[in-house]
Amino acid sequence: AQSVTQLGSHVSVSEGALVLLRCNYSSSVPPYLFWYVQYPNQGLQLLLKYTSAATLVKGINGFEAEFKKSETSFHLTKPSAHMSDAAEYFCAVTPSGNTPLVFGKGTRLSVIA
Amino acid sequence: DGGITQSPKYLFRKEGQNVTLSCEQNLNHDAMYWYRQDPGQGLRLIYYSQIVNDFQKGDIAEGYSVSREKKESFPLTVTSAQKNPTAFYLCATQNRGTYYGYTFGSGTRLTVV
Repeated sequence: AQSVTQLGSHVSVSEGALVLLRCNYSSSVPPYLFWYVQYPNQGLQLLLKYTSAATLVKGINGFEAEFKKSETSFHLTKPSAHMSDAAEYFCAVTPSGNTPLVFGKGTRLSVIA
Repeated sequence: DGGITQSPKYLFRKEGQNVTLSCEQNLNHDAMYWYRQDPGQGLRLIYYSQIVNDFQKGDIAEGYSVSREKKESFPLTVTSAQKNPTAFYLCATQNRGTYYGYTFGSGTRLTVV
């Protein structure tokens, strides 16, 4: 069975600082991996995805993530945080298109001015 | 514009009542999903449907029911058997011919009064 662990339910960074949100997964086969962002009382929006092409994936709003098979990780980064990045972020995994996504419990990002 | 419409945005249920949450899509996606979101719990899968007239239970299906009579619609009924229904409910669709990511609706917040 697939599972996702997001380390840190709440991360706080200063505006302009590096953002690092951690995601580790378990999967019996090479996975498809995703990061989503959620603003209060809204649905989730796709930030980026890994689908077995390049291991460094670039997404929207300056975010990127690197797939590291040896570490079973897919951490999300952004070089410089903006106030508008404050939201909740979810990592998700699936082994195939026929299997529903499994989500982590989320990490709430706060950005301090 | 193509998208997913969830209605209502806010819903109040009395003890012992059944309520139905609507999810309609015009994206022509085959698969549709219902997730429940509680603070600190991430997203948990209730039901999903990959084709019309077929659906599968997710991890927390007890106390819920669904139907999939049309490709565009996947309503969720929260029955009186669901003892703790207060939560944020998210509907999602998947275009299984592409990258297997989900498109989400804007959610329905259900509160028991």
